Amino acid sequence: GENVEQHPSTLSVQEGDSAVIKCTYSDSASNYFPWYKQELGKRPQLIIDIRSNVGEKKDQRIAVTLNKTAKHFSLHITETQPEDSAVYFCAAPSTLGRLYFGRGTQLTVWP
Amino acid sequence: GAVVSQHPSWVICKSGTSVKIECRSLDFQATTMFWYRQFPKQSLMLMATSNEGSKATYEQGVEKDKFLINHASLTLSTLTVTSAHPEDSSFYICSARWGGPYEQYFGPGTRLTVT
Repeated sequence: GENVEQHPSTLSVQEGDSAVIKCTYSDSASNYFPWYKQELGKRPQLIIDIRSNVGEKKDQRIAVTLNKTAKHFSLHITETQPEDSAVYFCAAPSTLGRLYFGRGTQLTVWP
Repeated sequence: GAVVSQHPSWVICKSGTSVKIECRSLDFQATTMFWYRQFPKQSLMLMATSNEGSKATYEQGVEKDKFLINHASLTLSTLTVTSAHPEDSSFYICSARWGGPYEQYFGPGTRLTVT
């Protein structure tokens, strides 16, 4: 399957600062890159995704950038708030739409 | 739309018994569902892809005889953990594909504890 690497594993920021999480993938045929937010004991929630025909997508305080040549994509959260604290996962698809997830990033936003 | 439910939300069973977990798409038909396992503080690991009316496709290293998957209808897939052991204790999450070839929406998960 797809090999997805995610960094950093933990990230602590002050409220109002920006947070950036980076992922790389191995399958050059992948063309869909979602980001999920998971709070403790709950289901992953899709927060933003990007397809390979665009380089950047933004939704309010959240943005995702994609570099297909380098096979990496990043999640950017601006003006972070304490409620942004959670585990964030990137993912990339392989054949038949299977999603393979990165290891996750525990984001902590300090008030 | 795109609501996925799971039942039960948590279950405790004794070693050697079998446990069935249900995954339902409530407001759409899901021809494909996926089963993941998540250990504490770890990522989601894809176990198998479940297609309605056909056999599931298991990921490498996942024992198909231990984790039985049935997708008998367009709204229901089941995962049965057979002869469960303490090492099978985990958070099991299903997802269903909706809205495109890749978008997946997740169920709330089932916490399995084997004693």
